[in-house]
Amino acid sequence: QITLKESGPTLVKPTQTLTLTCSFSGFALGTVGMGVGWIRQPPGKALEWLALIYWDDDKRYSLSVKGRATISRDTSKDQVVLTMTNMDPMDTATYFCAHRRPGLGDSFDFWGQGTLVTVSS
Amino acid sequence: DIQMTQSPSSLSASVGDRVTITCRASQSITTYLNWYQQKPGKAPKLLISSASNLETGAPSRFSGSGSGTDFTLTISSLQPEDFATYYCQQSHSSPTFGPGTKVDFK
Repeated sequence: QITLKESGPTLVKPTQTLTLTCSFSGFALGTVGMGVGWIRQPPGKALEWLALIYWDDDKRYSLSVKGRATISRDTSKDQVVLTMTNMDPMDTATYFCAHRRPGLGDSFDFWGQGTLVTVSS
Repeated sequence: DIQMTQSPSSLSASVGDRVTITCRASQSITTYLNWYQQKPGKAPKLLISSASNLETGAPSRFSGSGSGTDFTLTISSLQPEDFATYYCQQSHSSPTFGPGTKVDFK
């Protein structure tokens, strides 16, 4: 059974760096086809994909956060980390991590519960 | 980036109604189109992948169709548990989600 859970600060100040951790179980990120993505959702708004790391350590980023976001993995701990620099109040959102279904195209079949991050001084 | 639009942005319906939501991509994505259902305070749930493949466990009243740039999610007979927000997502290139369609009680 695949599970994912996000952890990190609930409040960050503008200009600070956000570090979120996705701890997962039920799959090995190193297995061909696997991946973990980060998706966020501002309060009352739509989903926005941010970043994705693949089984071969390839990484992709949304243009909206490219240059500010870094996704990495710790295969020994079954964790994926998202770091975002220079946080702004507009980055206030619930951040989800999700399992990429192996195969053609990036769909997300298992999701964490999400963690709300508020950016405020 | 490929842009996704959905219509309507919201709709009001009654139990038993047939509901149709459309999703349009800014360029052809063949059938690289997924649908998610999200209820308030919960994570999205993958309903349909590759435009028309119903996920295991998803009720058969949900169906998806389309290819290229135009896609449809249909709920054949709306049930109380179907009141939610529905998002399309293209997986032809770096993922992008549509703005969502909220289905609520008439």
